[in-house]
Amino acid sequence: QLVLTQSPSASASLGASVKLTCTLSSGHSSYAIAWHQQQPEKGPRYLMKLNSDGTHNKGDGIPDRFSGSSSGAERYLTISSLQSEDEADYYCQTWGTGTFYVFGTGTKVTVL
Amino acid sequence: EVQLVQSGAEVKKPGESLKISCKGSTYRFTDYWIGWVRQMPGKGLEWMGIIYPDDSDSKYSPSFQGQVTISADKSISTAYLQWSSLKASDTAMYYCARGGSGSYFGDAFDIWGQGTMVTVSS
Repeated sequence: QLVLTQSPSASASLGASVKLTCTLSSGHSSYAIAWHQQQPEKGPRYLMKLNSDGTHNKGDGIPDRFSGSSSGAERYLTISSLQSEDEADYYCQTWGTGTFYVFGTGTKVTVL
Repeated sequence: EVQLVQSGAEVKKPGESLKISCKGSTYRFTDYWIGWVRQMPGKGLEWMGIIYPDDSDSKYSPSFQGQVTISADKSISTAYLQWSSLKASDTAMYYCARGGSGSYFGDAFDIWGQGTMVTVSS
């Protein structure tokens, strides 16, 4: 079964970096994912599509502070030089034949 | 600018029907799948279903199969999500989003609508 696992929360100080993890279920380590940001009281915003080899395609206007990487079944989102506006929920998403689409449960990022 | 614009907030009573819309602009609407996502208050994102406007091929999450109907009118670049009999538990924000292109649905949701809040209360 295609499942994405995310930690519920993460925090880091203003100006620091934070690395979020999204883990694909067993047997799905080759799958691409997408990262989305949802700021408080706003709709989701597409950040990037992240492939299993670590290559990624960012959405229009997404700052260079956001980067993605991959290792095995894990997909990462790193936010560098953390800003107050980066305080948000971050969701990963994947897709596949049969299951169609799946979202992770989201990680709430707090900027200290 | 490529965008999806959704219809406005709705307040309905249990048992009523509802159809909300999502209009695409500044891209070839028939080339991309359109998905629908539910977000209940204080909760995460749930994929509901997806449609290919060119031929109205649609796919549903098992959780929503039979509960909602997804349709599209390609002549006006609009996708729809509808309920025949609303329940209080349908109260949520609903988002449309653009998915993959061509015959295979699978790709990131790269464009999101602004959301439609649906409130169902007696």
